[in-house]
Amino acid sequence: DVQLVESGGGLVQPGGSRKLSCAASGFTFSSFGMHWVRQAPEKGLEWVAYISSGSSTIYYADTVKGRFTISRDNPKNTLFLQMTSLRSEDTAMYYCAREGGSSLPWFAYWGQGTLVTVSA
Amino acid sequence: DIQMTQSPASLSVSVGETVTITCRASENIYSNLAWYQQKQGKSPQLLVYAATNLADGVPSRFSGSGSGTQYSLKINSLQSEDFGSYYCQHFWGTPWTFGGGTKLEIK
Repeated sequence: DVQLVESGGGLVQPGGSRKLSCAASGFTFSSFGMHWVRQAPEKGLEWVAYISSGSSTIYYADTVKGRFTISRDNPKNTLFLQMTSLRSEDTAMYYCAREGGSSLPWFAYWGQGTLVTVSA
Repeated sequence: DIQMTQSPASLSVSVGETVTITCRASENIYSNLAWYQQKQGKSPQLLVYAATNLADGVPSRFSGSGSGTQYSLKINSLQSEDFGSYYCQHFWGTPWTFGGGTKLEIK
């Protein structure tokens, strides 16, 4: 079974940094593009970042461009999100999600999420 | 950027009723649309992809339709387990924006 397990969330001060991880299992991680999606408390879903299977293509939402960095370690089946210059509006549950496959861009699998709270 | 306008924002319905949620894109997205269900406290789950295709394991009471800029998710004979929030998302170029969501509540 496909499993995505996020970790690394917690309380961070404004202006601080945090690195999230997403451990993948149950599929060939190196064959799939991966995403980060976030959801502020009681709000809707916001796509954050995408990385292709081989890391050659990366996209970011404008709201995080220049502050967040998505990366992956295929031999270790792990996706990362390095977050810097954090703001209160970055407070959210952060989900990693896997695409359906090559040319199948929808988010077929999601992790359970890790909560990041940015507050003094 | 393509904007996704979802309606209604909330809906109060009874078990057994039929509901339709709509999603309008700010430009033609050529059926590159997915629908997700999110239950309270849980992560979203894929329901429909490419506008009309049910994801594995999704009951046949769910159906997706639409083309161009207008899309719909229909739920026939609503069951208790269908209550929660629903989101559309387009895949016609980045950013892959979501609709604002529809919260389905029990009447």
